[in-house]
Amino acid sequence: GAVVSQHPSWVICKSGTSVKIECRSLDFQATTMFWYRQFPKQSLMLMATSNEGSKATYEQGVEKDKFLINHASLTLSTLTVTSAHPEDSSFYICSAREPDVGNEQFFGPGTRLTVL
Amino acid sequence: QQPVQSPQAVILREGEDAVINCSSSKALYSVHWYRQKHGEAPVFLMILLKGGEQKGHEKISASFNEKKQQSSLYLTASQLSYSGTYFCGTERGYSGNTPLVFGKGTRLSVIA
Repeated sequence: GAVVSQHPSWVICKSGTSVKIECRSLDFQATTMFWYRQFPKQSLMLMATSNEGSKATYEQGVEKDKFLINHASLTLSTLTVTSAHPEDSSFYICSAREPDVGNEQFFGPGTRLTVL
Repeated sequence: QQPVQSPQAVILREGEDAVINCSSSKALYSVHWYRQKHGEAPVFLMILLKGGEQKGHEKISASFNEKKQQSSLYLTASQLSYSGTYFCGTERGYSGNTPLVFGKGTRLSVIA
């Protein structure tokens, strides 16, 4: 199956700093990628749909100015958590679908963000 | 709209069977099943498309009842490695850029 990677796998930062998370599709081109957030023992909550070459579509309740998404190429989407606070600590997972291949949604390994 | 999973949690002894259900109040195009281990990303198990099909590999299978908008995941002769949280992800249509909406998950614990 297709491979999606994320970097970094974990990050610890101070409150008020910004953190960038990268999501790459390694062996296919993804015009669309999805960003999910998961708090401990909870489900995966969709944050936004990242579209290559255009603005991301955010889910209700997700702050666009706080969670900046850039999808500059067909293989890379980035999520920047700006002015991070402890309540932003979570497990961030990206995923993508490979067009014309099937319906499967491939997930990256996730990034664990801890804000001190 | 978030699908409803049941049960929320289940504990099995090795070799026992389990069924996890995923229901939606809206018509579905497909149901995707994933298993997630603690601290890891979800791992894909299988997809079921509308049309009422059943799939399976080894001791894990699933069905999709289109009329009831319900999918069931069947785990037979459970192994310790089956432990984890099972999520169903649903979509109401497919356009290549449709995200999955996940249920709250079912925590499965298999004990020796």
